[in-house]
Amino acid sequence: DTEVTQTPKHLVMGMTNKKSLKCEQHMGHRAMYWYKQKAKKPPELMFVYSYEKLSINESVPSRFSPECPNSSLLNLHLHALQPEDSALYLCASSLSTGDNYGYTFGSGTRLTVV
Amino acid sequence: GESVGLHLPTLSVQEGDNSIINCAYSNSASDYFIWYKQESGKGPQFIIDIRSNMDKRQGQRVTVLLNKTVKHLSLQIAATQPGDSAVYFCAEKTSNQFYFGTGTSLTVIP
Repeated sequence: DTEVTQTPKHLVMGMTNKKSLKCEQHMGHRAMYWYKQKAKKPPELMFVYSYEKLSINESVPSRFSPECPNSSLLNLHLHALQPEDSALYLCASSLSTGDNYGYTFGSGTRLTVV
Repeated sequence: GESVGLHLPTLSVQEGDNSIINCAYSNSASDYFIWYKQESGKGPQFIIDIRSNMDKRQGQRVTVLLNKTVKHLSLQIAATQPGDSAVYFCAEKTSNQFYFGTGTSLTVIP
């Protein structure tokens, strides 16, 4: 298995809702990442998990809450989002944070906040 | 066809022509670089990488050039095909993380 799987592919949520994005990989990668991508913009790093521990939080608002239950799974819990949070949320993984290899990206979750 | 990267984010080329996509990176300490291709509705896909101790690397139909003096990367695509139409991002590795450049949208005209 050489893929990163993200679910759901599309999500519409209200500003008072709580939802979660899920990411799964079975490549034995020990680093996992959340990126946010607005239309026609590059992906922006949000969080980095290394060996299931949060190692980087790029000053992301607390309405986004990451979780890494085990080495294969990464969640992003969403609560009280704003319309400007609408974006493509990408998950990626790599062998580790220190290796010089590329990330494997999932296809993303297209989030719309109404 | 050739893009100027940050200042010309859209590039159109005729099928069969060569394409050159440019990228200016920001950190002189970055030691590893990747070009990604992102098709509509998909995540970024690895194309080719280069380490800072190299100035050129070739793959199948693609070549990456690195000029550390001016902090510049380029991606050359030979014999561009309609399937090459996508947004191309360069990414530099700094402090063990990748940061993406602005991106260039490549359109191949049949």
